[in-house]
Amino acid sequence: DQQVKQNSPSLSVQEGRISILNCDYTNSMFDYFLWYKKYPAEGPTFLISISSIKDKNEDGRFTVFLNKSAKHLSLHIVPSQPGDSAVYFCAASVWGNKLVFGAGTILRVKS
Amino acid sequence: DSGVTQTPKHLITATGQRVTLRCSPRSGDLSVYWYQQSLDQGLQFLIQYYNGEERAKGNILERFSAQQFPDLHSELNLSSLELGDSALYFCASSVGVGSGNTIYFGEGSWLTVV
Repeated sequence: DQQVKQNSPSLSVQEGRISILNCDYTNSMFDYFLWYKKYPAEGPTFLISISSIKDKNEDGRFTVFLNKSAKHLSLHIVPSQPGDSAVYFCAASVWGNKLVFGAGTILRVKS
Repeated sequence: DSGVTQTPKHLITATGQRVTLRCSPRSGDLSVYWYQQSLDQGLQFLIQYYNGEERAKGNILERFSAQQFPDLHSELNLSSLELGDSALYFCASSVGVGSGNTIYFGEGSWLTVV
C-alpha cells in the first residue's frame, strides 16, 4: 500500500531554472508533509515542511505547495543550482508518527 | 550534521549472525525511529519509540527487535541475519510526537551480510 507516491523517478533541469518535484498521497489523515534531500549512502536531510492547515510554505529558494483537495504537494526550487543535484523524498505523517516516504525523485541540475 | 549519531557506520557479518546498531538521538529529543533502506526499496519504517516506550511499529521482522533506554539512546538488534538484510539502517529522532513533528536522520549504519 503505497500511501505516498513520487511518480517521476528523475528530473533534469538547467542551472538557474525552476525545479518542480511532485508528490501525491492517498491517506487523507496525513497532517504534516516534509521534503528531504538525500545523497547516496548518507542520511536524509530535512529541507522544508508544511502543515495540512496551510497551502504554501517558503524558505529561501525552496517553496512547498499543498493542494489538499487533490492530495498533491510539490516542491519548487528557484533558482536551481548544481549543488541541488540529489534524491528528493516526499514524506508524510499522521500526528507525528510513522513518517511514510515516497520512492524519491533524482534531480540533476546541469550547469 | 543533524545531531543524530549512529554506530557503527559500516559492518560486515555472516549469515546467521546477530548484530546491534546503536543510535544517540539529538539532545532533547524523546522520540527515536528506525528505518531500513535496501537497494531496491525506498525508506521503510521499522519502529518508533517515545521516551522509552514503543509507539508505532512498521514492517519490522520478528528477527529484529529494538529498545530505547532511560538515557534515550536506542539499539536495533538484528538476529539470524540473511543476505536480504543487507541494507542501510537509519535512526532518526524528534522532539516528541504530534502534528508538526520534524524528524531528523542520522548518517546510517551500512550492514553487509555475506
